[in-house]
Amino acid sequence: DQQVKQNSPSLSVQEGRISILNCDYTNSMFDYFLWYKKYPAEGPTFLISISSIKDKNEDGRFTVFLNKSAKHLSLHIVPSQPGDSAVYFCAASAQTSGTYKYIFGTGTRLKVLA
Amino acid sequence: SQTIHQWPATLVQPVGSPLSLECTVEGTSNPNLYWYRQAAGRGLQLLFYSVGIGQISSEVPQNLSASRPQDRQFILSSKKLLLSDSGFYLCAWSRRNTIYFGEGSWLTVV
Repeated sequence: DQQVKQNSPSLSVQEGRISILNCDYTNSMFDYFLWYKKYPAEGPTFLISISSIKDKNEDGRFTVFLNKSAKHLSLHIVPSQPGDSAVYFCAASAQTSGTYKYIFGTGTRLKVLA
Repeated sequence: SQTIHQWPATLVQPVGSPLSLECTVEGTSNPNLYWYRQAAGRGLQLLFYSVGIGQISSEVPQNLSASRPQDRQFILSSKKLLLSDSGFYLCAWSRRNTIYFGEGSWLTVV
């Protein structure tokens, strides 16, 4: 059972335009959501996160939106740059057994065209 | 600042051979530690997590095991590798709702 889903395996965007990456989840117990960027053969790097008590969090070119009623979050990158080309993972976490478990989606490969 | 290291970075192992991947975290104490695997073309699958020395929780039944002999050391092992164990293995630690990953280890079982 895939609790965190990224239904778009790939996305191509022109440089300077907006990139929108989407993520859906099924478990209403998730209370924290994160986005990671990953290059081939490297570990994912943390980008931005949002608590379930908020609906928006912004950090520079990156903004994450959370719609709890729809169990949906999205990452907006504006403006997109060629260096943003990578695989993006969304993750959701819930506290269990004294720690947080992080469940990841399958990733979306973003390609920013120069 | 906190850092996480895992090794080896790459290895090629024959079917039936043992495995040991090691991970250490520096700059923090009593971290929550995790092992994830990314199989080819797939997402990040949580394999094990640990909240303290000797405390291991397994997420999926499999051919692998994990141990935490010291506070900041996490080891992923197998007694006999299978072809299906091939993949990119990631160690991670968490603090304040955020999880941070190591560089990853590529395992190819032949």
